[in-house]
Amino acid sequence: AQKVTQAQTEISVVEKEDVTLDCVYETRDTTYYLFWYKQPPSGELVFLIRRNSFDEQNEISGRYSWNFQKSTSSFNFTITASQVVDSAVYFCALSEFSGNTGKLIFGQGTTLQVKP
Amino acid sequence: NAGVMQNPRHLVRRRGQEARLRCSPMKGHSHVYWYRQLPEEGLKFMVYLQKENIIDESGMPKERFSAEFPKEGPSILRIQQVVRGDSAAYFCASSPPGGQPQHFGDGTRLSIL
Repeated sequence: AQKVTQAQTEISVVEKEDVTLDCVYETRDTTYYLFWYKQPPSGELVFLIRRNSFDEQNEISGRYSWNFQKSTSSFNFTITASQVVDSAVYFCALSEFSGNTGKLIFGQGTTLQVKP
Repeated sequence: NAGVMQNPRHLVRRRGQEARLRCSPMKGHSHVYWYRQLPEEGLKFMVYLQKENIIDESGMPKERFSAEFPKEGPSILRIQQVVRGDSAAYFCASSPPGGQPQHFGDGTRLSIL
């Protein structure tokens, strides 16, 4: 069965600290996509990254980086030098290729609070 | 947000009324997905539609909920005889053929009095 687990419900850090948000997934497919979305207090969903299962290269975008490890079924997200504007709920999601529906399976989300 | 338009942004209904949520996909997108976010929870897939077809409705409650995506016009998520438990944020996403990537609208916050 498909499942995404974000074990950290809430994280609180002080500005400029680094923080890692964990994501572990389960799937029987060998081909799939993984995603991270940000939901700020205003409520919209902001797409951050998509990674396919064949590409295990880590990715860096500014202060954001992602570590994809197939061996441990994890797709962790690190924010370096966090800022107050990073405060949001972050969702990890999985989409399988089989069935070709493209539907997303979301984790429960991690609420990140960055204090000044 | 990324061109997917949802309206209304906020909708208040009394128990027993009907709620209609609309979603206009991004230009060129023919696939629409609806997700529901209950308070303090993650998003849950409800239904996947292409023009005039329901492809996957495995996440839709069996009663009172329906969805359509007509040849012309927006996709509609319809909830009949609403109950308090229907209070949630309902997000629509659209994608090109192939299902990826999905772009989300800003959501409709449904409140039931």
